Amino acid sequence: AAGVIQSPRHLIKEKRETATLKCYPIPRHDTVYWYQQGPGQDPQFLISFYEKMQSDKGSIPDRFSAQQFSDYHSELNMSSLELGDSALYFCASSNGQLNEKLFFGSGTQLSVL
Amino acid sequence: EDQVTQSPEALRLQEGESSSLNCSYTVSGLRGLFWYRQDPGKGPEFLFTLYSAGEEKEKERLKATLTKKESFLHITAPKPEDSATYLCAVRWGNTDKLIFGTGTRLQVFP
Repeated sequence: AAGVIQSPRHLIKEKRETATLKCYPIPRHDTVYWYQQGPGQDPQFLISFYEKMQSDKGSIPDRFSAQQFSDYHSELNMSSLELGDSALYFCASSNGQLNEKLFFGSGTQLSVL
Repeated sequence: EDQVTQSPEALRLQEGESSSLNCSYTVSGLRGLFWYRQDPGKGPEFLFTLYSAGEEKEKERLKATLTKKESFLHITAPKPEDSATYLCAVRWGNTDKLIFGTGTRLQVFP
């Protein structure tokens, strides 16, 4: 069965650069969530989208922005990268906002040098 | 402040040695407590959702229970392949996001 696809799998950037992370949800899933997980930390909610509209916002820095496109894929844009942005970024998708099952991708490992 | 706390942080078990993981929460208006399994470098994998106190769910060697203040994940006769980090998450109020605890890192030795 198709899963949540995230790209790239690994990304290395320098301070003050920009990065774009992509997420392709499971087909027919209309809700996407972005999470940030630091080493040894729990996943921290960043932002979510339902039917291409932002549905909730968490601890996402102003330097980050995200959107969900007409084909339901989502992109997380990160600017003015800082060392502290180094983390594993997960995307999850679900069918509907209140679906009990969130399916997570394998994540993008971002390293800021 | 709403919180999700898991204990212990780490747990080492011998194969076959049953134990329990705890997740306590202080959110009001709980609309679901979730258990996920996470292997290193991978995304969390859904295990269970519990909605009301007294509810129980089972899957192979795992059994999740829920009270008004906490949830337990019981592992019966664990095997080395059960080694992973187990995350608890809650959904509450009018939001659809999940808030995760810091997880319990389980290691099962043969």
